[in-house]
Amino acid sequence: TQLLEQSPQFLSIQEGENLTVYCNSSSVFSSLQWYRQEPGEGPVLLVTVVTGGEVKKLKRLTFQFGDARKDSSLHITAAQPGDTGLYLCAGAHPRDDKIIFGKGTRLHILP
Amino acid sequence: DAGITQSPRHKVTETGTPVTLRCHQTENHRYMYWYRQDPGHGLRLIHYSYGVKDTDKGEVSDGYSVSRSKTEDFLLTLESATSSQTSVYFCAISAPTSGGASTYEQYFGPGTRLTVT
Repeated sequence: TQLLEQSPQFLSIQEGENLTVYCNSSSVFSSLQWYRQEPGEGPVLLVTVVTGGEVKKLKRLTFQFGDARKDSSLHITAAQPGDTGLYLCAGAHPRDDKIIFGKGTRLHILP
Repeated sequence: DAGITQSPRHKVTETGTPVTLRCHQTENHRYMYWYRQDPGHGLRLIHYSYGVKDTDKGEVSDGYSVSRSKTEDFLLTLESATSSQTSVYFCAISAPTSGGASTYEQYFGPGTRLTVT
């Protein structure tokens, strides 16, 4: 059974600080997605990474896919209160593209 | 925006009553999914569909059924609601990744908050 472990589960930091959250598995994925979810809303897709070692940037957010395509990280520079939310990673199985989700990292940025 | 709507957005119902949740999409996507989201469990797949009248079970399908008679609509039915089915339900579609990579990514509806009393 494929599992995606996200860490930390919760993170509360001051505005302006940098942070990194992680998504790890022992399984290989054909792609990995990151989502942000705000209270009362559905998850919103932020990025998809496909190639091992790939790095994508979205303003202050930097996403990296591990070389072996088993893990990923999300780094936020100079966090803002608007970054607050639940961050979910999801991996696509290489054989059938079935997607599994991690349980998420709940991020709170204090003004 | 993948053009996904869910109805109702909120519902309170009593134990033992049937409940149907509707997911509607406007972009002719083939794959549709129903998830439930609960604290400590994350998103769990209930059922999914890979075309009209083609559906399959997910990891938490007991107590739920689905139907897809049209491409645009995917219905989730709780035949006899129980308190353990109190949750937030999300519909999603799967679309090929933009940029040419041969993989898929999911887009979610706004969710339905269901309370079973």
